[in-house]
Amino acid sequence: EVQLLESGGGLVQPGGSLRLSCAASGFTFTTYAMSWVRRGPGKGLEWVSGISDSGSSTYYADSVKGRFTISRDNSKNTLSLQMNSLRAEDTAVYYCAKFDPNPNQFFDHWGQGTLVSVSS
Amino acid sequence: SYVLTQPPSVSVAPGQTATITCGGDNIGSKSVHWYQQKPGQAPVLVVYDDTDRPSGIPERFSGSNSGNTATLTISRVEAGDEADYYCQVWDSSWVFGGGTKLTVL
Repeated sequence: EVQLLESGGGLVQPGGSLRLSCAASGFTFTTYAMSWVRRGPGKGLEWVSGISDSGSSTYYADSVKGRFTISRDNSKNTLSLQMNSLRAEDTAVYYCAKFDPNPNQFFDHWGQGTLVSVSS
Repeated sequence: SYVLTQPPSVSVAPGQTATITCGGDNIGSKSVHWYQQKPGQAPVLVVYDDTDRPSGIPERFSGSNSGNTATLTISRVEAGDEADYYCQVWDSSWVFGGGTKLTVL
């Protein structure tokens, strides 16, 4: 059974940093691209960032480019999202999501999410 | 950037059929995927590649896609189907519709 467990969320001041993690199990992590998707309060789903199976390719939404960094540790089956220069509009529940096998067009499994609140 | 347009809300009585639309420029040329999200829960994939269902998703959920509109149809609606539904496509990045709240009367 695929399991994705996010951690690292919390309350942070504007301009601050936070690092999210996602522990994956139940599938061969090294062969799947992964992603982060968020849902802000009163808003819909928004794709944030993606990374290839090897980690050699990364992708970012314009809203987070230059501030967020996605990475993965295939030896530990872990996905991470380093978030810097946080803004109020980054407040959201952040979900770790597994891409479909190929060609990575949709998300076939999701974690339960971790809440990030950016406020002074 | 590519825009997907969904109605904010749809209401239906139990046992009836719910239809949720997703509009986009020539969306019929793209593969459309649908997610269900209940309050406090993670999104769940209910339809992928326009018409396919993941294992475990009831046959009551079906999809279609043509022209400028993709549609998620839920037959014989149950109270447990009440949720937010999102369409999604790939268009140089992963794009979601604004979501539709399905209310079961």
